[in-house]
Amino acid sequence: RKEVEQDPGPFNVPEGATVAFNCTYSNSASQSFFWYRQDCRKEPKLLMSVYSSGNEDGRFTAQLNRASQYISLLIRDSKLSDSATYLCVVLDYKLSFGAGTTVTVRA
Amino acid sequence: SAVISQKPSRDICQRGTSLTIQCQVDSQVTMMFWYRQQPGQSLTLIATANQGSEATYESGFVIDKFPISRPNLTFSTLTVSNMSPEDSSIYLCSAPGEIGYTFGSGTRLTVV
Repeated sequence: RKEVEQDPGPFNVPEGATVAFNCTYSNSASQSFFWYRQDCRKEPKLLMSVYSSGNEDGRFTAQLNRASQYISLLIRDSKLSDSATYLCVVLDYKLSFGAGTTVTVRA
Repeated sequence: SAVISQKPSRDICQRGTSLTIQCQVDSQVTMMFWYRQQPGQSLTLIATANQGSEATYESGFVIDKFPISRPNLTFSTLTVSNMSPEDSSIYLCSAPGEIGYTFGSGTRLTVV
């Protein structure tokens, strides 16, 4: 079983729509969780950390469910500039990366 | 967060040769990490570079193929040795920041 699994998508949504996707992780002892954004041919950049109580940063909301070992990312009011691959990242003794969820926002 | 300068950004190399990739961090960090990202796939950790000790390699990666240097707390190099076309990939370095981890801009390597 992979350490981190994501729905690869692609999610193709119109501007203004809400899109949400999940990521599951295998190590129940994992402590830190992140969502990174990676644009084509660029390095990953931190979008947000994921806290146990859930957290929101503008149009982005992240949730953590430890019992079911998944985290989620929700994007509200999608913009064209949100088109990217979103990487779920889990930290135990090292960073483990999901394969990414591709989101395309169309005009 | 830390800012990482990585070079070269890309290179095309002949099989059998070696390429050294450099990463410079704008602050002192205890650990730096080297990743490989093959086309369409996510990042795979190659090794953790510790200052003052040998790098720690992940399963499937060996020091002879990917020697790493970490001469001080702001700098590291990764060498891809005796390259073959299978080594064509993007190589990224990373260091911890205040929140999460920061990545270098990547080195796109093509072996012909």
